[in-house]
Amino acid sequence: DAKTTQPTSMDCAEGRAANLPCNHSTISGNEYVYWYRQIHSQGPQYIIHGLKNNETNEMASLIITEDRKSSTLILPHATLRDTAVYYCIVSPSGAGSYQLTFGKGTKLSVIP
Amino acid sequence: DAGVIQSPRHEVTEMGQEVTLRCKPISGHNSLFWYRQTMMRGLELLIYFNNNVPIDDSGMPEDRFSAKMPNASFSTLKIQPSEPRDSAVYFCASSGLGNIQYFGAGTRLSVL
Repeated sequence: DAKTTQPTSMDCAEGRAANLPCNHSTISGNEYVYWYRQIHSQGPQYIIHGLKNNETNEMASLIITEDRKSSTLILPHATLRDTAVYYCIVSPSGAGSYQLTFGKGTKLSVIP
Repeated sequence: DAGVIQSPRHEVTEMGQEVTLRCKPISGHNSLFWYRQTMMRGLELLIYFNNNVPIDDSGMPEDRFSAKMPNASFSTLKIQPSEPRDSAVYFCASSGLGNIQYFGAGTRLSVL
């Protein structure tokens, strides 16, 4: 009963923007969209999260559709170090919320 | 900020031996998580502590697994006796307010 659907893999040329899509058509009103990534042989790393507005930080931008049924993570200028598995997760936030269910994610390969 | 610290990074042991994995969460964080990652099952939550108290241990595979958090700066995950199917990478994560979890580098366990 996966809550999110992501492509298995994607390629991106170095220096280009990487756009990683995620479908979450059954998202509830109190659930946020989180993105994590896992570089080979490392622990997962938090990237960004949002509820309904678009968000941007030093790592990435998160675009959430108006109906909240899908989102896109954007890495504006991908580098070789961005090669990783990217996980899109929906989960409530705030007191008492802790579940992060990691699916299979999208394996992003940044190509020189 | 040293992040979440796990030890050892690698552990090789023989079937039947006791294994103890250690975790030091980020100072000030009041939630701690133990995860297990395998190729077959992906990243799974084993147990969640809040303020040093186990809140959700539904992911602990069986009685051979136990976890403790004697104080806010230390937690252990013990497997006794260990079996080859326990071979995996074990991650510890911690979080403060909100649901952003910060992961350690993991312990790669091999049970021969």
